[in-house]
Amino acid sequence: AQKVTQAQTEISVVEKEDVTLDCVYETRDTTYYLFWYKQPPSGELVFLIRRNSFDEQNEISGRYSWNFQKSTSSFNFTITASQVVDSAVYFCALTPNAGNMLTFGGGTRLMVKP
Amino acid sequence: DVKVTQSSRYLVKRTGEKVFLECVQDMDHENMFWYRQDPGLGLRLIYFSYDVKMKEKGDIPEGYSVSREKKERFSLILESASTNQTSMYLCATKSGQGRQPQHFGDGTRLSIL
Repeated sequence: AQKVTQAQTEISVVEKEDVTLDCVYETRDTTYYLFWYKQPPSGELVFLIRRNSFDEQNEISGRYSWNFQKSTSSFNFTITASQVVDSAVYFCALTPNAGNMLTFGGGTRLMVKP
Repeated sequence: DVKVTQSSRYLVKRTGEKVFLECVQDMDHENMFWYRQDPGLGLRLIYFSYDVKMKEKGDIPEGYSVSREKKERFSLILESASTNQTSMYLCATKSGQGRQPQHFGDGTRLSIL
């Protein structure tokens, strides 16, 4: 069975602060994919990033960066210099390499105040 | 861009009614999914379909059924709505297996009175 845990249910920061969203996962599969999605107030989940279990390189995209550590089963997401538009619910998710089903974490609601 | 369209953003129904939630995609994806989203629980899979007329149960199928008569359309049916089915329902589609991301619709906020 797979499990994804996002221990932070809600985070509140002031604009321009850096913030890290934690994601810890459990799986027995040797190959798998991890995802982050953003859900703004409009409701639609927006795909942010995919990482496969063989690729432990960190990824940076603008103000967003992701740190994947297989040794600790973590896939954390950092927003640098946060902005009000970053306010959303963020979900971490996991799927086996040959599978279709995503297992989601409970989500972290990020509130960025001006 | 993948377009996933859910028929209603908001829906209010009464206990005992039969409720249909519709989802249409325009990208010829094989896989379609129905989730419900509740605070603190994330998204939980109700059913998914990997082809026309094919379906598999997800984590919480009780009280729901699905229909996929055409590749582009996937319907979620609440046979006899109950108040504990008040929730946000999200449809998603996906091409292939594993590495491909799922693409989501805007969601339907369903209230059962």
